[in-house]
Amino acid sequence: SQTIHQWPATLVQPVGSPLSLECTVEGTSNPNLYWYRQAAGRGLQLLFYSVGIGQISSEVPQNLSASRPQDRQFILSSKKLLLSDSGFYLCAWRAYEEGEQFFGPGTRLTVL
Amino acid sequence: AQSVTQLDSQVPVFEEAPVELRCNYSSSVSVYLFWYVQYPNQGLQLLLKYLSGSTLVESINGFEAEFNKSQTSFHLRKPSVHISDTAEYFCAVRPSNTGKLIFGQGTTLQVKP
Repeated sequence: SQTIHQWPATLVQPVGSPLSLECTVEGTSNPNLYWYRQAAGRGLQLLFYSVGIGQISSEVPQNLSASRPQDRQFILSSKKLLLSDSGFYLCAWRAYEEGEQFFGPGTRLTVL
Repeated sequence: AQSVTQLDSQVPVFEEAPVELRCNYSSSVSVYLFWYVQYPNQGLQLLLKYLSGSTLVESINGFEAEFNKSQTSFHLRKPSVHISDTAEYFCAVRPSNTGKLIFGQGTTLQVKP
């Protein structure tokens, strides 16, 4: 069966510090991968998605970037965090032939 | 452009009462439809989906949703809720010409004893 992992689970970082969040998927190959952000009391905002290694599409201009160095690894990064980067970050994967996305447990990021 | 509207941000209901969480969408192409549930500080779990076939779909824990193409709706219902159903519920659509999901803003279901 397929599983998706995210770490860390929680993170508190000062403004201006770098960020690296990691997502890995097991039990599948060549998945579509997604990064979402969920701000407090709001819905999900798609940040990035990837259909293959090195292929990244950005949905909104922002202070973040994403990379996919391996087939089942998706990384969300920032060089300098802003207060507005605080939120709950969710990674998801989708098998090409299926409709639904499966979500990881999320990372709670607080920028102080 | 596609969009999803969840008409109620919060739905308070007493235990064992019926509930309906409303979802309407707008799309110029055919869509696949989903309901996800999110418990506090957790990721989203797929509750049910409509891809094709019967327009009434059911989950293993008693929820059901009906795809109504003419009304562009995919409302979620449960005839009798439990305290454990308290959570955030998200409706989402995937247009048939893209792999991206479009989410509604979510509905908080609060089940009271």
